[in-house]
Amino acid sequence: NAGVTQTPKFRVLKTGQSMTLLCAQDMNHEYMYWYRQDPGMGLRLIHYSVGEGTTAKGEVPDGYNVSRLKKQNFLLGLESAAPSQTSVYFCASSSALAGGSYNEQFFGPGTRLTVL
Amino acid sequence: AQSVTQPDIHITVSEGASLELRCNYSYGATPYLFWYVQSPGQGLQLLLKYFSGDTLVQGIKGFEAEFKRSQSSFNLRKPSVHWSDAAEYFCAVGARGFQKLVFGTGTRLLVSP
Repeated sequence: NAGVTQTPKFRVLKTGQSMTLLCAQDMNHEYMYWYRQDPGMGLRLIHYSVGEGTTAKGEVPDGYNVSRLKKQNFLLGLESAAPSQTSVYFCASSSALAGGSYNEQFFGPGTRLTVL
Repeated sequence: AQSVTQPDIHITVSEGASLELRCNYSYGATPYLFWYVQSPGQGLQLLLKYFSGDTLVQGIKGFEAEFKRSQSSFNLRKPSVHWSDAAEYFCAVGARGFQKLVFGTGTRLLVSP
């Protein structure tokens, strides 16, 4: 049981390049999330998904796209990377309680992205 | 919309001393409240959570937190800090009926010998 895994762990991009970050969870969770973490700003939600085939915008969605074609995977895409997207990216997943309530979010180890 | 304030950016505590990390939230109804810990280079791990019921909640690693509605606070406490507790701590709040959490900016705990 690996929990939440993220690929890659590190990446350096040049401005304008594109890339996709992969998040995979083996806990059969309905909900998945992408966050970015910047110094002094905590974690900010980029996009999230409440089920296969559904996605929604979070707090800072601009410049990112996501897809959830399979329940266990949640992809984060950067079409044209900018230096402002230099950050540490975390994926998380959680199960759903009755009534759309909360349960613990389990986090991946993070991806450190640098855009030059 | 809900929000979280962690007023202390850094806190230094001597090993063996007690610890209290502050968290204030803003939300119109009873929120879901969480404390997460992040060790250097790692993802976040849940310490404890409050959904309803007893306002004093116990978590892992000897941590506890108390929900005080009148003060809109959910402070994290530990009676005796160990060097391994050095990490960054995040408070988070969720609104009932929604699937999103809002995190505070974090408090970095340093433990001195």
